[in-house]
Amino acid sequence: DADVTQTPRNRITKTGKRIMLECSQTKGHDRMYWYRQDPGLGLRLIYYSFDVKDINKGEISDGYSVSRQAQAKFSLSLESAIPNQTALYFCATSDIGFFGNTGELFFGEGSRLTVL
Amino acid sequence: DAKTTQPNSMESNEEEPVHLPCNHSTISGTDYIHWYRQLPSQGPEYVIHGLTSNVNNRMASLAIAEDRKSSTLILHRATLRDAAVYYCILRDADQAGTALIFGKGTTLSVSS
Repeated sequence: DADVTQTPRNRITKTGKRIMLECSQTKGHDRMYWYRQDPGLGLRLIYYSFDVKDINKGEISDGYSVSRQAQAKFSLSLESAIPNQTALYFCATSDIGFFGNTGELFFGEGSRLTVL
Repeated sequence: DAKTTQPNSMESNEEEPVHLPCNHSTISGTDYIHWYRQLPSQGPEYVIHGLTSNVNNRMASLAIAEDRKSSTLILHRATLRDAAVYYCILRDADQAGTALIFGKGTTLSVSS
């Protein structure tokens, strides 16, 4: 089983629908992240969480919300999906690293979302 | 975090060395240099990171300029499997409460 699991792997939905992407990890890491990838734009950070009670906005948080239900679970929600949220979404985890340097990021396999 | 500049794309032949450059002229003294790569249809994976000294691991080597304003990821013998997008990222050790910010990276093509 993968250390970082994302569900669903593929989803097609319609404009205005509520969508939740889920991420679970078995690495025991405190830090979890959601990134979005669009062709030609690289990865952009949406939200991140450094422990269960910590939520931080990233570069492009508008239109998204997150929930950190437990150390191992971090969900990304689109309350009312719109077509320009069509993208590949990645969840990642890391430990705290050392000397204040974030540890290695471990990514899931991605969730491809299409909003019609 | 300071910004990095990478070429959009590079090409290489199989079994030849590949040098992937990264410029970071505004790097601060506490910035670590991280490299990740993303194989087709996969999430990014960690390659290597360093602060001042050159670093080697089983995947690659990282050569850091003496003034730290640039660095080079070295793949000693490229294989077809090394075709990927390579990201150079700076991470400020004084800002442990922030996350890694990826750019667009360099797309490496490897020909047989």
